[in-house]
Amino acid sequence: EADIYQTPRYLVIGTGKKITLECSQTMGHDKMYWYQQDPGMELHLIHYSYGVNSTEKGDLSSESTVSRIRTEHFPLTLESARPSHTSQYLCASKGISYEQYFGPGTRLTVT
Amino acid sequence: DQQVKQNSPSLSVQEGRISILNCDYTNSMFDYFLWYKKYPAEGPTFLISISSIKDKNEDGRFTVFLNKSAKHLSLHIVPSQPGDSAVYFCAASDGGGANSKLTFGKGITLSVRP
Repeated sequence: EADIYQTPRYLVIGTGKKITLECSQTMGHDKMYWYQQDPGMELHLIHYSYGVNSTEKGDLSSESTVSRIRTEHFPLTLESARPSHTSQYLCASKGISYEQYFGPGTRLTVT
Repeated sequence: DQQVKQNSPSLSVQEGRISILNCDYTNSMFDYFLWYKKYPAEGPTFLISISSIKDKNEDGRFTVFLNKSAKHLSLHIVPSQPGDSAVYFCAASDGGGANSKLTFGKGITLSVRP
């Protein structure tokens, strides 16, 4: 069973606020990913990391930023939240196999 | 342009019958395919996968078939159970080996009627 955690699970916040979505995994995986997903739509890769101090932008342009200072931790930050950022944010990690293991997600609503 | 397509947004089947979920792809560089199951307000969970060098992989009630020439794969669930009701995502790996990334389809909502 994969051990990957995300907090908060739900967040309702006003426009202009700065937020950080937390993601941690205890599997020692080097590779971690952030996806954005809306109902009825595919998962869109917004950021990924292949290890400490490595971060890359994904296929979907995002105003968020990420950092990878420790192997187990991959937080995502929005400096100024807007209603267009309302979505579900999913964090995943991967070892040497092809499978990515997902956390429970953060449902973000920006009012 | 979508490289992984799940053209049927929903499927409803009777409990005990077979569920067949389809997926098509366009990128011939994809070398590994995965199915994920997702409940509302939860993250996707890995279900079953198949390498592009195989045409079938089976795990309990779940079987995935790959037709590489048609760029088509399908997930069979037999027998279907009410607990199988969820959204099923097809995903394809881009051939990047250890640094591979996944491309997802839009998902199919499966409803299994008791």
